[in-house]
Amino acid sequence: LAKTTQPISMDSYEGQEVNITCSHNNIATNDYITWYQQFPSQGPRFIIQGYKTKVTNEVASLFIPADRKSSTLSLPRVSLSDTAVYYCLVVQNSGNTPLVFGKGTRLSVIA
Amino acid sequence: GAVVSQHPSRVICKSGTSVKIECRSLDFQATTMFWYRQFPKKSLMLMATSNEGSKATYEQGVEKDKFLINHASLTLSTLTVTSAHPEDSSFYICSARGLAGEQYFGPGTRLTVT
Repeated sequence: LAKTTQPISMDSYEGQEVNITCSHNNIATNDYITWYQQFPSQGPRFIIQGYKTKVTNEVASLFIPADRKSSTLSLPRVSLSDTAVYYCLVVQNSGNTPLVFGKGTRLSVIA
Repeated sequence: GAVVSQHPSRVICKSGTSVKIECRSLDFQATTMFWYRQFPKKSLMLMATSNEGSKATYEQGVEKDKFLINHASLTLSTLTVTSAHPEDSSFYICSARGLAGEQYFGPGTRLTVT
C-alpha cells in the first residue's frame, strides 16, 4: 500500500476554507484515495473518496491532480465542530485489504 | 449509511481478568471485520482481520492468544482481551466491510484496566 504523508496539524478560523494536502507518491494504478474524519473517542467517519480529478459531496471536495501523487481535501467554511483529525488513505480497488491509517492531520478550528 | 455498533462503549476491569468486546453490523452482512487499537493522540493500529467462519489473521506483534477473535456469524465479531493488564488499556475500534468493499467503523470501546 502506498504510504501517505500529511501535515501533523493545522489551525483555522471559523468560516474559512481549509485545504489539507496529502502526498502518496507510490500510489498504484488501481488504488483510490479516501478521507476519514475522527472526533475524540469516536470511530472514524467516511468523508469522501475519489480516483482522479475532482469529487464533491455535501461535506467536502477532493482534488486529485493528473499524476495522482497527491490529493487535497477541501472543507468549505469550517465551523468549530469540524475540529477533528483527518486521515488520508490509499485503498486498493481489489481484494480484502484493510484500511491502514497514517498519522492524520489534527485540525483545530478557532472562533 | 450502514451502521456498526460496539458493546460495551466503556469497560473497566481488574488486572488479570478477561474482557469481551462485541462488534455488530446492524443492517448489512459482513464476511470481513477488522479490529483496531488506538492509544491517546495516536493513529489507529490494525490488530487483526476477522473472517466469518475461519480463523482471524493477526498483524505482526499482536498476540493471538491474548486477543481472541471470533467471527461466528455474518453480523457479529467479538474481541476478547484475556488476562488484561494496564498496558492493554486503550480505545478498541472495529470496522465491517460491506459488499461493495467499503468499510464502516464502530463507535469504539474504551477499555481501562486497573
